[in-house]
Amino acid sequence: GQNIDQPTEMTATEGAIVQINCTYQTSGFNGLFWYQQHAGEAPTFLSYNVLDGLEEKGRFSSFLSRSKGYSYLLLKELQMKDSASYLCAVGGGATNKLIFGTGTLLAVQP
Amino acid sequence: DAGITQSPRHKVTETGTPVTLRCHQTENHRYMYWYRQDPGHGLRLIHYSYGVKDTDKGEVSDGYSVSRSKTEDFLLTLESATSSQTSVYFCATQTGETEAFFGQGTRLTVV
Repeated sequence: GQNIDQPTEMTATEGAIVQINCTYQTSGFNGLFWYQQHAGEAPTFLSYNVLDGLEEKGRFSSFLSRSKGYSYLLLKELQMKDSASYLCAVGGGATNKLIFGTGTLLAVQP
Repeated sequence: DAGITQSPRHKVTETGTPVTLRCHQTENHRYMYWYRQDPGHGLRLIHYSYGVKDTDKGEVSDGYSVSRSKTEDFLLTLESATSSQTSVYFCATQTGETEAFFGQGTRLTVV
């Protein structure tokens, strides 16, 4: 079976740091993606992890542990515009099936 | 961003009618996906394609069929629309071990 779990909602303060966790159990693993989605819009790509470790891209970083089936997205220096849903997705298998978690709705407060 | 166009962007249809949504890409991406998004469920995979005429079912494929007769087009058909298929539908494309690009979505209402 395939299962991707994320917290449903999180709240954080402007200027702070927030970590959004994702655990997965999938048949086949090619890589793990993080997407951002603002209400009423299409998802936009944030990061992609294939190997264990931390990938840093500006204010956003993503970590992967393949042995633990675990990833997190770290958002630093939070801004109001970071209020959005954050989606964890796993691509796997020879046909590259791409499955998403239910997403984490992040609210950034002043 | 990849050139991905979904059509129509909005549609209202009656229960029991067939509906076809189109996803068109200009990037020659091998993989294409259809998702539906509903509150509380995130993006759920309906069907996907890993090449021309190569398709497979996703998590919520009942009541849907797809076709991919050429690289650039991936069609999603609701054989007989039901109210439970009211949703926002997203198409995505991907070259392989890289990011997937999304279309702008189709809002479908079945009355």
